[in-house]
Amino acid sequence: EAQVTQNPRYLITVTGKKLTVTCSQNMNHEYMSWYRQDPGLGLRQIYYSMNVEVTDKGDVPEGYKVSRKEKRNFPLILESPSPNQTSLYFCASSFGQYYVQYFGAGTRLSVL
Amino acid sequence: GIQVEQSPPDLILQEGANSTLRCNFSDSVNNLQWFHQNPWGQLINLFYIPSGTKQNGRLSATTVATERYSLLYISSSQTTDSGVYFCAVTSSNTGKLIFGQGTTLQVKP
Repeated sequence: EAQVTQNPRYLITVTGKKLTVTCSQNMNHEYMSWYRQDPGLGLRQIYYSMNVEVTDKGDVPEGYKVSRKEKRNFPLILESPSPNQTSLYFCASSFGQYYVQYFGAGTRLSVL
Repeated sequence: GIQVEQSPPDLILQEGANSTLRCNFSDSVNNLQWFHQNPWGQLINLFYIPSGTKQNGRLSATTVATERYSLLYISSSQTTDSGVYFCAVTSSNTGKLIFGQGTTLQVKP
């Protein structure tokens, strides 16, 4: 089954404790991206990747890192999480930025 | 940057009613997608529709790119249709996917 898989689905952590949210797709997509969704602000892009080893900042990249060492994986790294990073996070993939975007099930993160 | 406006922001329907959701965008786009976010937060692809009309069961969508709007029609609504409907466009200039603020739909039995 074609899908985008995020893990974990739910995470509660404390300020400053490094964490990684994984994202994997099995559709051989070149384009992958991360979004966060906040009440009143909608969905905003954090980072995106056009292909392996190619990443770029989205609209709200501060406090986040990404890497794209393999085509199928695009982890989101929070080196020192802060409470303002409490949010619902989505990973997405597609054949390109102008193609259908497929979203993962989301990761609810709470930073205390 | 490109602006994406959805209307209405909220909609309450009785089961079986029909509805039309609208998405206006301020600049030329390379694609347009409609999503349904269910009560569990999952984003479900409904339509990829940069132009023209598509139908999928009780749902259909029309995009008129030259006039910069898209419509999502829901017929014979069911309680499972409840949730938030998002329109998202990819700007021809920046290549970024921009979401509207969504329409929150509640279908009452």
